Amino acid sequence: GQQLNQSPQSMFIQEGEDVSMNCTSSSIFNTWLWYKQDPGEGPVLLIALYKAGELTSNGRLTAQFGITRKDSFLNISASIPSDVGIYFCAGQLDSGYSTLTFGKGTMLLVSP
Amino acid sequence: DGGITQSPKYLFRKEGQNVTLSCEQNLNHDAMYWYRQDPGQGLRLIYYSQIVNDFQKGDIAEGYSVSREKKESFPLTVTSAQKNPTAFYLCASSSQRAGGGEQYFGPGTRLTVT
Repeated sequence: GQQLNQSPQSMFIQEGEDVSMNCTSSSIFNTWLWYKQDPGEGPVLLIALYKAGELTSNGRLTAQFGITRKDSFLNISASIPSDVGIYFCAGQLDSGYSTLTFGKGTMLLVSP
Repeated sequence: DGGITQSPKYLFRKEGQNVTLSCEQNLNHDAMYWYRQDPGQGLRLIYYSQIVNDFQKGDIAEGYSVSREKKESFPLTVTSAQKNPTAFYLCASSSQRAGGGEQYFGPGTRLTVT
C-alpha cells in the first residue's frame, strides 16, 4: 500500500518555541489531513487541506499542502504545554470515501 | 451532542475467546472505519464500510470480522484467529458532504488478551 514518511519521529522543545514537522510520499494525494492524539484518546482533526499550495491556519497551527502534492507541513507557533501529544499526517488519494494513509506520527514534548 | 462512542474503554480477554468491540455514531455519517494502533505505529486500517450492509477489508483484516446492519453502528469482532490481538482499537466515521476525507474518531478501546 501507500506509505507516508513523517518526520521527525519525536521532538522535545521548550515552551514558547516554534515547531515544524512534515510528511512526504512517493504518491500524489488529493487531500492532506493533520490530527493530534493525546495519550489514550482518539485522534482529533486539526486541519484539512484540499488544494495544492493551500495554506490553512487553526489558531497557532498552520499547515500547507505541498505544490507537488506529495508532501505537507505542519507548524505550531509559540508552543505551550498542552501541545504535548502525537501529531499524525494522513493522505487521501481520491475524493469521497477512499481510505486514508497515515504517517507513523511525531511525538511532541514541551518543557514548561 | 453528536459524536462517536466506543465501549468499553478497556477490555480484557483470555486467549482463544472472541470479543466484540462496539462503535456507534450519531453524526449521520455514511462511512465508518476500524483501525488498529500499536505503540510507535501509525493507524492501520482493518475494515471499512461505505454503506449499510456492505463493507470492505482494509490492510490487516485477517482475524477480524465486522457487520453493518445499521447506519449508526459498526461493531468489530476480534476472533481467536487474530495472532496478536492486544492493541488500541479506533473507530472513525466520515461524511461525503464534508469532503469525504475528513474522518472523525471515537475515544478508542484498549484490548488486552492474555
